[in-house]
Amino acid sequence: QKEVEQNSGPLSVPEGAIASLNCTYSDRGSQSFFWYRQYSGKSPELIMFIYSNGDKEDGRFTAQLNKASQYVSLLIRDSQPSDSATYLCAVRWDDKIIFGKGTRLHILP
Amino acid sequence: DAGVTQSPTHLIKTRGQQVTLRCSPKSGHDTVSWYQQALGQGPQFIFQYYEEEERQRGNFPDRFSGHQFPNYSSELNVNALLLGDSALYLCASSPSLKGYYSPLHFGNGTRLTVT
Repeated sequence: QKEVEQNSGPLSVPEGAIASLNCTYSDRGSQSFFWYRQYSGKSPELIMFIYSNGDKEDGRFTAQLNKASQYVSLLIRDSQPSDSATYLCAVRWDDKIIFGKGTRLHILP
Repeated sequence: DAGVTQSPTHLIKTRGQQVTLRCSPKSGHDTVSWYQQALGQGPQFIFQYYEEEERQRGNFPDRFSGHQFPNYSSELNVNALLLGDSALYLCASSPSLKGYYSPLHFGNGTRLTVT
């Protein structure tokens, strides 16, 4: 059973601070990793993808991948109230993409 | 450039009935995946269509079936509806999942309520 695990939260972070979101996955054969943001009542939207070990930065967002530990994370710098949402970790296996349950992030003004 | 479109946006059905949900993929995309998202949960993979065939399937019963048409649009059919089928149904399209970077682009979803 291929699984993607996330802490459901809520994770509360003061405005301007760094939010750190974590995800673990069960199968070493996973190929690529995605972070989606989902606002309440809306559909998921892609923030970042990563497939090589290390860090990948895009604006205020940094994705980190450690395949040996089967761990992927998302850092959000200078957190803004508009970052308050559910963040979904997704992992690609065998041409299908499996999602975790998501972590609710709340940025405190 | 139209994104992924789904219809209808909302639907109310009675237990035991059948429902059909529709999806048009983003221009240039040929692969369609369907997900079920219950309240407070992550999207659960139902199945994926490519070249008019079901290529991958998640852990869903045979009551859930689908179809892909030559223009890459897709339908999701659910028979003998149960109360537990109430959820947001998401359609996602992507270019053929042959490369590492083939993210999913989601439609706005269809909110199904079974009473």
